[in-house]
Amino acid sequence: GAVVSQHPSRVICKSGTSVKIECRSLDFQATTMFWYRQFPKQSLMLMATSNEGSKATYEQGVEKDKFLINHASLTLSTLTVTSAHPEDSSFYICSAMNAGYGYTFGSGTRLTVV
Amino acid sequence: KQEVTQIPAALSVPEGENLVLNCSFTDSAIYNLQWFRQDPGKGLTSLLLIQSSQREQTSGRLNASLDKSSGRSTLYIAASQPGDSATYLCAVRGGSEKLVFGKGTKLTVNP
Repeated sequence: GAVVSQHPSRVICKSGTSVKIECRSLDFQATTMFWYRQFPKQSLMLMATSNEGSKATYEQGVEKDKFLINHASLTLSTLTVTSAHPEDSSFYICSAMNAGYGYTFGSGTRLTVV
Repeated sequence: KQEVTQIPAALSVPEGENLVLNCSFTDSAIYNLQWFRQDPGKGLTSLLLIQSSQREQTSGRLNASLDKSSGRSTLYIAASQPGDSATYLCAVRGGSEKLVFGKGTKLTVNP
């Protein structure tokens, strides 16, 4: 099957600090990964498309300097929330596409900024 | 611009009932359609993937159909169980690799 591992599952950080979230494809290579944000009781909002070896493509309204994405290998993409503030508190989910399986999602990261 | 609508937004049924969740999309030029399940505070679990050339897919008690020309898909759940309680999301992929999601149907199966 296609498995995507996301860590950490929960993180609490102080306002002004940075937090890194990792997304790994465990049994397949992913040239493209996606990062989503989900607010309570709402559907997923695509933040950016992460491309291996090149710059990420951000959706309109998403601050690329706030949400740094690095896709350094075919199995790992990272999202760094820089200078986090309470309004960045949310549920972040990554996904990757594997031919034949469609899109596989990570288990999500609950970020709380205090 | 592709838009995906899911009806109903919420559904509550007694255990054992068969049920249908609906998904409609505005642009029929899709590459595939995927149904997901999301439990509270968790990521998404893929249930069924239907390619644009397919009419339906089955997995256990789940059956998903696709009518691309009319822009509709249904997810049929047979003999529902309390463990089926979750939010069900429909998503379509167009020409790009981006998925467009519906807002989901929150299903509650009562024992």
